[in-house]
Amino acid sequence: ETGVTQTPRHLVMGMTNKKSLKCEQHLGHNAMYWYKQSAKKPLELMFVYNFKEQTENNSVPSRFSPECPNSSHLFLHLHTLQPEDSALYLCASSPRSRGRSEKLFFGSGTQLSVL
Amino acid sequence: SQQGEEDPQALSIQEGENATMNCSYKTSINNLQWYRQNSGRGLVHLILIRSNEREKHSGRLRVTLDTSKKSSSLLITASRAADTASYFCAKGGSEKLVFGKGTKLTVNP
Repeated sequence: ETGVTQTPRHLVMGMTNKKSLKCEQHLGHNAMYWYKQSAKKPLELMFVYNFKEQTENNSVPSRFSPECPNSSHLFLHLHTLQPEDSALYLCASSPRSRGRSEKLFFGSGTQLSVL
Repeated sequence: SQQGEEDPQALSIQEGENATMNCSYKTSINNLQWYRQNSGRGLVHLILIRSNEREKHSGRLRVTLDTSKKSSSLLITASRAADTASYFCAKGGSEKLVFGKGTKLTVNP
């Protein structure tokens, strides 16, 4: 166990559905991340939060909406997704993210399929 | 971009053999990290080597860094079937990590 828990593990949704991915970390970290992992592509950073404030949005389409109510919880709200959004969505945390590239602790991911 | 290439893309060996994976990058780094990912799971941090270090060991893992060649290698000695996974290098600059596409390692019993 890495101390980062993601739910659900698997999600199948239609293009008109609205769903949310949840991530919780028990490590006392101050930075949380969302990554997207598609087949044959490098891991793509989507969003970064430091101390609950969004510090990076990597040109992610607005159909992905992150929320960070506190330093331990991170959500990714999904609506009107496209089939090409099917991927493994990974949450990660680190003590902080500004100023240096630290070791990341990843959750097990949510495997998302958009039909 | 700091993205480089990992090679090989795939590697298949027999149990007990050593596995070597390489990672190259294009711009200067503060550190380089290696992660492992079992199929459909999250990444697990293996080792971090700083730009002023040349070699680091952790159990059966040995990582080297050559900043003049902008390359790093991960050596897994005496491999086991349980080492079967994808291995990623991540280049650490002043801000975020940049991951490569990974090497898929298969260790046959």
